[in-house]
Formats: sequence, C-alpha cells, structure tokens
Amino acid sequence: AQKVTQAQTEISVVEKEDVTLDCVYETRDTTYYLFWYKQPPSGELVFLIRRNSFDEQNEISGRYSWNFQKSTSSFNFTITASQVVDSAVYFCALSEYTNAGKSTFGDGTTLTVKP
Amino acid sequence: DTGVSQDPRHKITKRGQNVTFRCDPISEHNRLYWYRQTLGQGPEFLTYFQNEAQLEKSRLLSDRFSAERPKGSFSTLEIQRTEQGDSAMYLCASGGKVYEQYFGPGTRLTVT
Repeated sequence: AQKVTQAQTEISVVEKEDVTLDCVYETRDTTYYLFWYKQPPSGELVFLIRRNSFDEQNEISGRYSWNFQKSTSSFNFTITASQVVDSAVYFCALSEYTNAGKSTFGDGTTLTVKP
Repeated sequence: DTGVSQDPRHKITKRGQNVTFRCDPISEHNRLYWYRQTLGQGPEFLTYFQNEAQLEKSRLLSDRFSAERPKGSFSTLEIQRTEQGDSAMYLCASGGKVYEQYFGPGTRLTVT
C-alpha cells in the first residue's frame, strides 16, 4: 500500500527565510509519480510540481526547488526567500502507475510566513 | 475560464436527506477523480472515472454514495441518507497528462 508522511505539521518562519518542507513516501511500485500541491486560505488546491520515479533530477522554479531522493524515499520542497503569500497548507502526494493516477496525500504542512 | 468547476460551493442539509454535487472537469481531460477532505487532513480518494467508466471506488465509499459520469463529461456525486460524519469538503479533480490532477474549489457539506 502507498503511504505519504509529512512529519512537520506546522512551520512558522519570518519573511525572507528559507524553509524546507519534508515528504517521505512508501510504495512497492517501481514506477510512480510524486506531487506537491498548495492549498491557500481560499481553499483551492493548486498543482505545483510532478516528478517521475525514474527521474531524480532536482528541479528549480523561481523561488521553489524540489529534492527527490529515491534512496531515502523523500521528496522535499524548499522555498527560498519566503514571502507572506507563501502562507498555505502544502501537500505531498503519491500516485502509483498501477493505480491509474489515484493519489495518496500526506496530511499537509501548514506554513506561516510572518512579515 | 477553463478550470474545474463544482456546484454548489456550500451545502447545508439535515441528517437523513439526500444531496447531489456536480463537477465539470477541464474539457479535454478524460480522467476525473472525487476526493473527500476533512479538517487537518489531506484529501482522501473516493472514486475515479476514465471517460464514462467508473474504474475504481474506495472502501470509504459506502453504499450510500454513488457517482456517475454520463457521456464522459460532467460528474455527479450523490450521498443518500446523509450522516453527520459525511460533513467534509468534497473535491473533484480533472486528470491531465501523466497523472497530474487539477482540483476544483470543492463543495463544503455540513450535515446538521
């Protein structure tokens, strides 16, 4: 069975600090996909990134970067120079290729960025 | 706007009543998912459609829950004989390439 663990329930930082959100996953499939979503106070989940299990290349998009390590089953998300608008709940999710896209989500990390 | 839409956004109902929610996915997407989210939790998978075929249902989906996707376009989720434990946010997601999912705003159900 697939499982996603986000051990950090809440994180609070001051604006301009860097922050890393941890995600650890469990799966028996060799082909799977990992995702990060952002859920701002307005409530709508916003897709941020997808990574394939066969591509461990790290990715950077503006202030966002993702570190995928199969050896430790982790897919961590770093926000550089955080801003107040980054305040939201962030979810990590896993989809197994054999499960046709059904996603298992972690319980989320609530990030608060203070001015 | 070609995003995912859900209707209604909020529903308050009395225990024992039936409710139906609608989801309109992104038009070119053939996969559609329903999830349920309660406070402090991540979304939990309920069911999944590929075009009009319902391919998987979670064990969370009791026989009081039914979902349809006629003609492979919009989908409906019906809950019969609602219970207070059904109170949650019901999320619909439209399936893009390589299992990316784009979520609608959700329908918040409150059962009194």
